[in-house]
Amino acid sequence: GENVEQHPSTLSVQEGDSAVIKCTYSDSASNYFPWYKQELGKGPQLIIDIRSNVGEKKDQRIAVTLNKTAKHFSLHITETQPEDSAVYFCAASGGGGADGLTFGKGTHLIIQP
Amino acid sequence: KAGVTQTPRYLIKTRGQQVTLSCSPISGHRSVSWYQQTPGQGLQFLFEYFSETQRNKGNFPGRFSGRQFSNSRSEMNVSTLELGDSALYLCASSFNGPDTQYFGPGTRLTVL
Repeated sequence: GENVEQHPSTLSVQEGDSAVIKCTYSDSASNYFPWYKQELGKGPQLIIDIRSNVGEKKDQRIAVTLNKTAKHFSLHITETQPEDSAVYFCAASGGGGADGLTFGKGTHLIIQP
Repeated sequence: KAGVTQTPRYLIKTRGQQVTLSCSPISGHRSVSWYQQTPGQGLQFLFEYFSETQRNKGNFPGRFSGRQFSNSRSEMNVSTLELGDSALYLCASSFNGPDTQYFGPGTRLTVL
């Protein structure tokens, strides 16, 4: 089955700086890659996703890049703000309703004031 | 549009008991997936229901089961509870499968 590795497990950045979280996946058939943000006491919130026919996607301060050849994808957050502090999860799936999401172990992002 | 709702939010059970958790998806969503979240194992896929049929299943024992009703609401059942079943159980809904899934707040289950 699919295996998703996520790094780093903890990331501390100064407010206003950029943050980058990286994930690799094992199954070349995977074609859907979402990113979730989870705050304490809440369920994961979908913040951005990308499909395998796209190399990059942006939404305001958030961007995701996908390298299918290397089987890795990354989340980029620019101009970080205190409310960006949370745990971020990457995930992968085969899409088409065939599989559930396989998640990485998560990255605890800390924004230092 | 209302989000995914889960009830109850917290549960305390003892070993050997069984438990039923409920999930109401976003209106119009026909797919409901369940996940278990623990500090050690992270987020793990349990199963997915679509149009009242289990369409996919993760690697969990048969003690974990579920069902989906005609209005897309779903329930998850865990029988013969073990200490290791203590976790946050999350439900996610979508139009179809893992694409664009939205999660509920979860049910925190504690097994004593």
